[in-house]
Amino acid sequence: DAGVTQSPTHLIKTRGQQVTLRCSPKSGHDTVSWYQQALGQGPQFIFQYYEEEERQRGNFPDRFSGHQFPNYSSELNVNALLLGDSALYLCASSLQGGRMDEKLFFGSGTQLSVL
Amino acid sequence: SQQGEEDPQALSIQEGENATMNCSYKTSINNLQWYRQNSGRGLVHLILIRSNEREKHSGRLRVTLDTSKKSSSLLITASRAADTASYFCATDAYNTDKLIFGTGTRLQVFP
Repeated sequence: DAGVTQSPTHLIKTRGQQVTLRCSPKSGHDTVSWYQQALGQGPQFIFQYYEEEERQRGNFPDRFSGHQFPNYSSELNVNALLLGDSALYLCASSLQGGRMDEKLFFGSGTQLSVL
Repeated sequence: SQQGEEDPQALSIQEGENATMNCSYKTSINNLQWYRQNSGRGLVHLILIRSNEREKHSGRLRVTLDTSKKSSSLLITASRAADTASYFCATDAYNTDKLIFGTGTRLQVFP
């Protein structure tokens, strides 16, 4: 039973570029949440996708967008990259529309460096 | 923004000792979860406690919840070097579907 997989593992971009990160949820899960974790900080909630729609969003600008596909996999897109976007991006999957009494299963993350 | 804050920020102990870390949060919650993170990679779920529960155990872990004080504690008994990691509390702010993480406690267990 495959867990949550994220790609790529590491990514280096320059300011102003665009990036796409990918996530495949744990088998049987239907909800994907994305988090940004700066060095030494806790994960910050970006948004959550369920039934191919964004259900919840954190305090992130519109430069951050996402998508969920019919097979429940998801993409996170960041446009016009800033130096401050450098962080570990974590994908988490869960069941049943992301009810908050369900535990999250995390991928190993994508380390994004913006130069 | 962070919903929870862990205390202490960092903790160093010897193998065999107990480790206690605390979490304070700001708004009413339905449940509180604790996660562990090794070396800045993915987080692993440890335990969930609901707002109507006061204490929960799982192996060497004991979690308490005091909703009147908006605080929780995680106790790891008889710690091992393999327990070295960062520990985060996460709460669902009432009437939202967001799971919000705290700032974390970095635990170092020396053999």
